[in-house]
Amino acid sequence: DAGVIQSPRHEVTEMGQEVTLRCKPISGHDYLFWYRQTMMRGLELLIYFNNNVPIDDSGMPEDRFSAKMPNASFSTLKIQPSEPRDSAVYFCASRPSAGGTSGANVLTFGAGSRLTVL
Amino acid sequence: AQSVAQPEDQVNVAEGNPLTVKCTYSVSGNPYLFWYVQYPNRGLQFLLKYITGDNLVKGSYGFEAEFNKSQTSFHLKKPSALVSDSALYFCAVRDMAGGFKTIFGAGTRLFVKA
Repeated sequence: DAGVIQSPRHEVTEMGQEVTLRCKPISGHDYLFWYRQTMMRGLELLIYFNNNVPIDDSGMPEDRFSAKMPNASFSTLKIQPSEPRDSAVYFCASRPSAGGTSGANVLTFGAGSRLTVL
Repeated sequence: AQSVAQPEDQVNVAEGNPLTVKCTYSVSGNPYLFWYVQYPNRGLQFLLKYITGDNLVKGSYGFEAEFNKSQTSFHLKKPSALVSDSALYFCAVRDMAGGFKTIFGAGTRLFVKA
């Protein structure tokens, strides 16, 4: 398996532009998480999905942020309009559901998408 | 609500010496505890976990961690540090009362000097 795939790896955009980050989880993983990493706030959970359904979006900072998971192999995180304070590294992670497997509780992270908003 | 604290921003240790990276947690139920490591420009990688059973957990690259319920701690240890262990280390917790989300500590940067 190629692991969790994120794109783009780097994105530089201007304030006010729309940004779309993409994630392909590991096949068979039922849970998908979006995290944001900054120096000031560390690693924050934004939203997570179970079987393509959003379960908890309480970490989404404001209405400018939205996330979707149209199918089991694809998720997007969208920021519209973007602001300089959105600059961060955005990570996607996935894991299988519980059920006795040794990896059931372990997150596998993608390499991250580094966003810079000018 | 569940939370994780890593009291040290940075830990410095000489190569060959033992290392400890500290972590304390707060949960309302039984904790699932994890350590992850992050190398520059990479995503986080799983090191080890405690779910139940033996309080001393062994993981990747010679790391181990001890679960202490009375002190609500889960410190990461290694008997002999390597320069290549230099990285950012995250403690994380999940509990059933908090749903299925995993919450991470602020991270501790480990520097191992040759």
